[in-house]
Amino acid sequence: GENVEQHPSTLSVQEGDSAVIKCTYSDSASNYFPWYKQELGKRPQLIIDIRSNVGEKKDQRIAVTLNKTAKHFSLHITETQPEDSAVYFCAASILRGGGNKLTFGTGTQLKVEL
Amino acid sequence: SQTIHQWPATLVQPVGSPLSLECTVEGTSNPNLYWYRQAAGRGLQLLFYSVGIGQISSEVPQNLSASRPQDRQFILSSKKLLLSDSGFYLCAWGTGGASYEQYFGPGTRLTVT
Repeated sequence: GENVEQHPSTLSVQEGDSAVIKCTYSDSASNYFPWYKQELGKRPQLIIDIRSNVGEKKDQRIAVTLNKTAKHFSLHITETQPEDSAVYFCAASILRGGGNKLTFGTGTQLKVEL
Repeated sequence: SQTIHQWPATLVQPVGSPLSLECTVEGTSNPNLYWYRQAAGRGLQLLFYSVGIGQISSEVPQNLSASRPQDRQFILSSKKLLLSDSGFYLCAWGTGGASYEQYFGPGTRLTVT
């Protein structure tokens, strides 16, 4: 089955700096890659996603890039703010009829310091 | 708009006791429904998913089971809890079709003692 690895496990940046979180996946058939943000004790929230027919997607300060050849995708957060502090999870799945089975990475604890 | 509910929010149960967690979705019909478990400090593991009433697919063999008695209701059960069943249980829904996003419910924090 699919295996998703995520790095780093913890990331500390200064407010205003950029943060990058990287994930690799094992199944070349995977074609859907969402990112979730989870604050302490809360539910994961979908912040951005990308499909394999697109190389990059941007939403304000957040962007995701995908390299299908290398089987890796990354989350980029620019101009980080204290409220960006949370655990971020990447995931991958193969979109087909009959449900969307996400395989998650192990998470990155992002801390934005003042 | 769509809303997903889970209850109870927290639960403390002894080893060997039964379990029933409920998830309901409002504002959509025929959703895909999912149960995930998150162990402390860990990622999310897909346990079950359902694409329709009575249709359940199991991803991880264990002492848990799931049922979908109604279109927007998803239940996670166990006859006898193990210590290793402790965790944060999250229900999620998705529409499928051309849109594959999944949205999570507030979760149930289960502690097995």
